[in-house]
Amino acid sequence: EVQLVESGGGLVKPGGSLRLSCAASGFTFSSYSMNWVRQAPGKGLEWVSSISSSSSYIYYADSVKGRFTISRDNAKNSLYLQMNSLRAEDTAVYYCARSGGGQTMVDWGQGTLVTVSS
Amino acid sequence: SYVLTQPPSVSVAPGQTARITCGGNNIGSKSVHWYQQKPGQAPVLVVYDDSDRPSGIPERFSGSNSGNTATLTISRVEAGDEADYYCQVWDSSSDHHVVFGGGTKLTVL
Repeated sequence: EVQLVESGGGLVKPGGSLRLSCAASGFTFSSYSMNWVRQAPGKGLEWVSSISSSSSYIYYADSVKGRFTISRDNAKNSLYLQMNSLRAEDTAVYYCARSGGGQTMVDWGQGTLVTVSS
Repeated sequence: SYVLTQPPSVSVAPGQTARITCGGNNIGSKSVHWYQQKPGQAPVLVVYDDSDRPSGIPERFSGSNSGNTATLTISRVEAGDEADYYCQVWDSSSDHHVVFGGGTKLTVL
């Protein structure tokens, strides 16, 4: 059974930093691209970033480019999102998701809440 | 950047057919995926590559895609289908961005 478990969310002040983690199990992590998707309270889904299986290809939404960094450790079956210069508009539940073909989000974690507030 | 447009809400009586549209410029040339999200839960993939269903998804869920509109069709709607539905594509021509529609709230009357 595929399991994706996010951690690292919490309350942070504007301008602060936070690092999210996603622990993966139940599949060969090193064979799949991974993604971060967020959802602001009461709003829709917003793609944040994607990383290929070997980290060769990395993409970001314009809203986070230059502030967020996606990475992975295939030896530890883990995905990360380093978030710097956080803004109030970054407040959201952050989900990690496993990619299928064509950037389908095949499996999702339960999410971790990030709140940016003074 | 590529934009996907969904109606904010769709209402249907139990047992009837619900159709949720997703509009985009020449979306028929792209693969469209659909997700169901119930309150407080993570999204679940219900249709991928326009019309394929993951294992475990009822045959009542189907999809089509042509021209400028993709459609998720839910036949014989049940109370448990009430949820938010999102379409998604991969815009490989624009910095390889993943794009979600704004979401449609399906209400079962």
